[in-house]
Amino acid sequence: DAGITQSPRYKITETGRQVTLMCHQTWSHSYMFWYRQDLGHGLRLIYYSAAADITDKGEVPDGYVVSRSKTENFPLTLESATRSQTSVYFCASTASGDSPLHFGNGTRLTVT
Amino acid sequence: GNSVTQMEGPVTLSEEAFLTINCTYTATGYPSLFWYVQYPGEGLQLLLKATKADDKGSNKGFEATYRKETTSFHLEKGSVQVSDSAVYFCARGSNYKLTFGKGTLLTVNP
Repeated sequence: DAGITQSPRYKITETGRQVTLMCHQTWSHSYMFWYRQDLGHGLRLIYYSAAADITDKGEVPDGYVVSRSKTENFPLTLESATRSQTSVYFCASTASGDSPLHFGNGTRLTVT
Repeated sequence: GNSVTQMEGPVTLSEEAFLTINCTYTATGYPSLFWYVQYPGEGLQLLLKATKADDKGSNKGFEATYRKETTSFHLEKGSVQVSDSAVYFCARGSNYKLTFGKGTLLTVNP
């Protein structure tokens, strides 16, 4: 089915471990985004990408790495997870500035 | 910088009550304004938008008017339903890059 899918849906990891969250979209949208959602902060932009091989930092990029080798995939890696990175992570995509953002269902990450 | 301030919840209403969720934004540039809704266990989805001053966005009985003079984009619905229970986010910018408010949890009781 067409859409944007995130995996895993839930993840528990330990402090210091590397973890990668996956995002895949089937629309060939140019723009993709990673947000984190935390109580009291709403959604904050971590990284975004305007096209394959083009990425840029958002509001809270520290501790995260992204890549975009293919248009449809936009993985987010926590190189050395910390407890402060416990959050719900949302991936989103859009075709252009005039189109709405389409969000995945999120990954709930717990760092112990 | 760009920011969005929306009324803090939670908001609890009875079915058929009138809903207002306040939202104000910083007036830098000429942003588009949006309301997104997040149902339990799901990602956000666009509810409505307005792209210029005095535009009214509407969808599913919800409305919001882009007020440049008061830098506001308040969400309203005349008669809420239990199925409207969700978290509502106000946002500004272009879809290329949005700034979201902190979200308002709405619970509608039968």
